[in-house]
Amino acid sequence: DAKTTQPPSMICAEGRAANLPCNHSTISGNEYVYWYRQIHSQGPQYIIHGLKNNETNEMASLIITEDRKSSTLILPHATLRDTAVYYCIVRDDNTNAGKSTFGDGTTLTVKP
Amino acid sequence: DTEVTQTPKHLVMGMTNKKSLKCEQHMGHRAMYWYKQKAKKPPELMFVYSYEKLSINESVPSRFSPECPNSSLLNLHLHALQPEDSALYLCASSQGDRGRFEQYFGPGTRLTVT
Repeated sequence: DAKTTQPPSMICAEGRAANLPCNHSTISGNEYVYWYRQIHSQGPQYIIHGLKNNETNEMASLIITEDRKSSTLILPHATLRDTAVYYCIVRDDNTNAGKSTFGDGTTLTVKP
Repeated sequence: DTEVTQTPKHLVMGMTNKKSLKCEQHMGHRAMYWYKQKAKKPPELMFVYSYEKLSINESVPSRFSPECPNSSLLNLHLHALQPEDSALYLCASSQGDRGRFEQYFGPGTRLTVT
């Protein structure tokens, strides 16, 4: 599975959009981009995933560049409860045995 | 229902004890996972079961023994653990089809080995 690179930390003001970048320059054609977050002392929570098209759900939007080498997770109106570690993962979905390898993630702090 | 349950929430065991962690999901998912997470580190994959068969073992020591009795249940049997095995153990499940590998995690079992 391809490796990902994320900034270690970011700060966002409450009510503003949080844009979390992820670099996955070695991604292959079969690999999807998945985003999870982990609030302190809880299990990780699935947010969104995509292959090449931009995706949106009730939690967030995922923007994938045309060359698929990077993506951005957008939380449109960040709240204090969005403070968490955000993980970007790429995964080969062509195999049941594909692994989801978590990197160090980005610690997002939302401030009042 | 997108819930994965794990029991117990906390476990303290001695190095000579035998204990088991239990994970359950009723979403019809066919892939189930065990992860280990140390403080301030990302989760590390230990085992993957796909359609009730072990498909990935990330070179985990034999003192950890997984078991998948049916498609809804996943156990992790523990024996002769070391203090460095103290961690949060996370279970997850996913549908297991292409494009549907989003994982749903349980709250974890916090294990302390004394």
